[in-house]
Amino acid sequence: QSALTQPASVSGSPGQSITISCTGTSSDVGGYNYVSWYQQHPGKAPKLMIYDVSDRPSGVSDRFSGSKSGNTASLTISGLLAEDEADYYCCSYTSSSTRVFGTGTKVTVL
Amino acid sequence: QVQLVESGGGVVQPGRSLRLSCAASGFTFSRTGMHWVRQAPGKGLEWVAVISYDGSDKYYADSVKGRFTISRDNSKNTLYLQMNSLRAEDTAVYYCAKDRSVPIIDHWGQGTLVTVSS
Repeated sequence: QSALTQPASVSGSPGQSITISCTGTSSDVGGYNYVSWYQQHPGKAPKLMIYDVSDRPSGVSDRFSGSKSGNTASLTISGLLAEDEADYYCCSYTSSSTRVFGTGTKVTVL
Repeated sequence: QVQLVESGGGVVQPGRSLRLSCAASGFTFSRTGMHWVRQAPGKGLEWVAVISYDGSDKYYADSVKGRFTISRDNSKNTLYLQMNSLRAEDTAVYYCAKDRSVPIIDHWGQGTLVTVSS
C-alpha cells in the first residue's frame, strides 16, 4: 500500500496553466478509472474536484480537468487564480478493494 | 445537504483505546459505503478503512490492521472507528467520509483530532 507519487510542489503565475501528476501501478491508477482529486486549504477538510479520472462534480470550475495515461493520472488547472493556492491529493481504488492517496502537491500562485 | 460530524477525539496514552463516531445526515446512509481517513500534523492524507453499506465488507490499511475496527449502525446513521493499542504515530486528524455510488470518496466531515501521548 505505497502512496501514489506526486510532485511535492508546483507553482505558476495567475492566468497560467499547471499540471500535477500522480503515478501509481497497474494495481491502482492503471487498473481502474476510479481516480479522484481533492483540494485542501489549510485547516479545512478536503474537497472533491475530479472523480472517475476526468469528471467534475457540480459546482467545480471547468478550469479543473483530469486525465490518465497508463499508471499516471494528471490534474490540470488552467487560468490559475490566487484561490487555487492549496494542497492537492490524488486518490485511487486498488485491487485489494482499499484506497490509496497520493503524497500531495502544494500549489503556489506566484 | 450532506453532513458528516465526527466526535470522540482527544488525548490518550500510548497503548490505550479510543472510539470515534461520525453522525451522518442528508443522504441515505444505509445505502452508502463509508471511510475513515487520517492526516498527521503537517502531513498528507492517509486512507484508514472502509465499510460497505450493510457492514458486510470491511477493509483496512496495513498500518492499522488488527488494531482498528470500523463499524456502523444504520439505525442510528452513525459510523464508528474503534482504535486499540494506540501509538504515537496514530496522532492525526481523523476524517469520516462517504462514497459516491461508485468507489470514490465525495464528501468529508470536518475531522476530529486524536493525540496519542504520555
